[in-house]
Amino acid sequence: EADIYQTPRYLVIGTGKKITLECSQTMGHDKMYWYQQDPGMELHLIHYSYGVNSTEKGDLSSESTVSRIRTEHFPLTLESARPSHTSQYLCASSESWGRREKLFFGSGTQLSVL
Amino acid sequence: DQQVKQNSPSLSVQEGRISILNCDYTNSMFDYFLWYKKYPAEGPTFLISISSIKDKNEDGRFTVFLNKSAKHLSLHIVPSQPGDSAVYFCAAIMVGGGSNYKLTFGKGTLLTVNP
Repeated sequence: EADIYQTPRYLVIGTGKKITLECSQTMGHDKMYWYQQDPGMELHLIHYSYGVNSTEKGDLSSESTVSRIRTEHFPLTLESARPSHTSQYLCASSESWGRREKLFFGSGTQLSVL
Repeated sequence: DQQVKQNSPSLSVQEGRISILNCDYTNSMFDYFLWYKKYPAEGPTFLISISSIKDKNEDGRFTVFLNKSAKHLSLHIVPSQPGDSAVYFCAAIMVGGGSNYKLTFGKGTLLTVNP
């Protein structure tokens, strides 16, 4: 199983603050993802990366940005947090064989913006 | 437009009985399907998967059935245990994902197993 770590687990912050959600994985996976999920809703892909210096926006538009300077690290940044950013943010990495993929998720960051 | 649909937001069963969670998809290009289990305030964990070349895959108490003609899959849990109480997400992958790989999730079904 992949080891993938997210910090912080919970974050309560005021409007206008800059925040960075950390995500690291120790399995050497090239592919990493950020999903956003609200209760009762599907997971929405907001960013993904297929390797160092590669980042792409996902299906759901997000004001956040990401970077991939090292294989194991994929942080997400919000320059100015707003209450609409309140959500759970899930980081994942994947291993693939042939055309098959399996995602491994971190424990998530529950973000509340007041 | 949702491509993966889990039409039952919740399901409640008695311990020891069978739990059946359903999932429908609209995109015939999907060729690999996964089920994830998620506890509150945790990330999803992989449970079981099935390729479109199969109609059944079994792992212990968990069995996934795929009906390609109906674009329907189901997850059976037998016997259900209180620890199975969680949200279950169905997910699908498109053929030829390659560099455009994207996993599409349903909205999830909250399963409650009562002692």
